[in-house]
Amino acid sequence: RKEVEQDPGPFNVPEGATVAFNCTYSNSASQSFFWYRQDCRKEPKLLMSVYSSGNEDGRFTAQLNRASQYISLLIRDSKLSDSATYLCVPKASDYKLSFGAGTTVTVRA
Amino acid sequence: SQTIHQWPATLVQPVGSPLSLECTVEGTSNPNLYWYRQAAGRGLQLLFYSVGIGQISSEVPQNLSASRPQDRQFILSSKKLLLSDSGFYLCAWSGTVSKNIQYFGAGTRLSVL
Repeated sequence: RKEVEQDPGPFNVPEGATVAFNCTYSNSASQSFFWYRQDCRKEPKLLMSVYSSGNEDGRFTAQLNRASQYISLLIRDSKLSDSATYLCVPKASDYKLSFGAGTTVTVRA
Repeated sequence: SQTIHQWPATLVQPVGSPLSLECTVEGTSNPNLYWYRQAAGRGLQLLFYSVGIGQISSEVPQNLSASRPQDRQFILSSKKLLLSDSGFYLCAWSGTVSKNIQYFGAGTRLSVL
């Protein structure tokens, strides 16, 4: 079973819209997560760390639902520059982070 | 500030040719270093990681090898490339404390023909 599952999308949204998507995880002991974003044909970059129930950074809000074992990412007031693939990564006890294929978001003008 | 350099950005190699990709990190000491490969539309596959000079852990048996001759230098190599070695190769580093936060180089897009 995969460590995380994400809807690959794409989520096509107009500029200014709100978009949200989930990441379900299999390890109930997972305490912390990271959201990375990867622009097309570029390297992943850390977007946000989530160490407790959630985190907010500007237009981006992450919420962790431990009972249902998923973490969500919400993007408000979408910008064209938000178009990317968003990768949900559980914190690892060793060096081996698990990067799935992510969720692709496309913001259109 | 810390920076990571990876080169070349793009590489086209014939089957059977050797490979050497280099990655260097600046602005930090004793980083953990990683090599990943990403196939089109897929997630990142961890190939190798290193916690120190000369210390290499291989995650997936394959046609590749890695070396860390200096603290902030990580090299990915192959003696003979296969078609299946094509992909997007990413080098990353993390601190020894915050090892879950990894910073990636710009990547090398390798096409084996």
